[in-house]
Amino acid sequence: EAGVAQSPRYKIIEKRQSVAFWCNPISGHATLYWYQQILGQGPKLLIQFQNNGVVDDSQLPKDRFSAERLKGVDSTLKIQPAKLEDSAVYLCASSLSSGRERAQYFGPGTRLLVL
Amino acid sequence: AQSVAQPEDQVNVAEGNPLTVKCTYSVSGNPYLFWYVQYPNRGLQFLLKYITGDNLVKGSYGFEAEFNKSQTSFHLKKPSALVSDSALYFCAVRDKSGGGADGLTFGKGTHLIIQP
Repeated sequence: EAGVAQSPRYKIIEKRQSVAFWCNPISGHATLYWYQQILGQGPKLLIQFQNNGVVDDSQLPKDRFSAERLKGVDSTLKIQPAKLEDSAVYLCASSLSSGRERAQYFGPGTRLLVL
Repeated sequence: AQSVAQPEDQVNVAEGNPLTVKCTYSVSGNPYLFWYVQYPNRGLQFLLKYITGDNLVKGSYGFEAEFNKSQTSFHLKKPSALVSDSALYFCAVRDKSGGGADGLTFGKGTHLIIQP
């Protein structure tokens, strides 16, 4: 079974530029998450989708971050404009459903450096 | 609000010795608890989880974890460490109650270093 795919793996941009990350979850997984992992910290949830609907975006900085999951499969996370403090690894995860006992399966992440 | 504490930034263990990575949690209700491992330049890999029942949970690669409700702890253990166990380990918690929002809350991670 293929895992969660993410691209690009690395991205370097200047502040105030825009950037987009792509995620393809494990086949059949209805629930998709985006996490932000700043160096030296644990991952922090940004947004959760159930199929193509948003379940939780309470920690998403909506003035600059946006995300969508058209057709309930792939997802895109966008930052516009980027700030220095957005430098982090952006992790995508998926699970079969939103059952609270279920584990989440993570992709390799996209490492973003904002200069 | 829920939270996780991993009190040790780094744990050093000699190969072949038992290892323990500590985790304590705080939730308003009963918890679901998880351990993940992260190797350099790779995403998090699921190790094991506690849902209910037996307080000793067995997972991948010979790891196990012990749930202690009175001490609100979920320490990760392995009887005999391998050099290949060296990695960054994360404990995570999720409250059993609530609606569809079920994102995990992670600790800051513990670097485990196994010395040959």
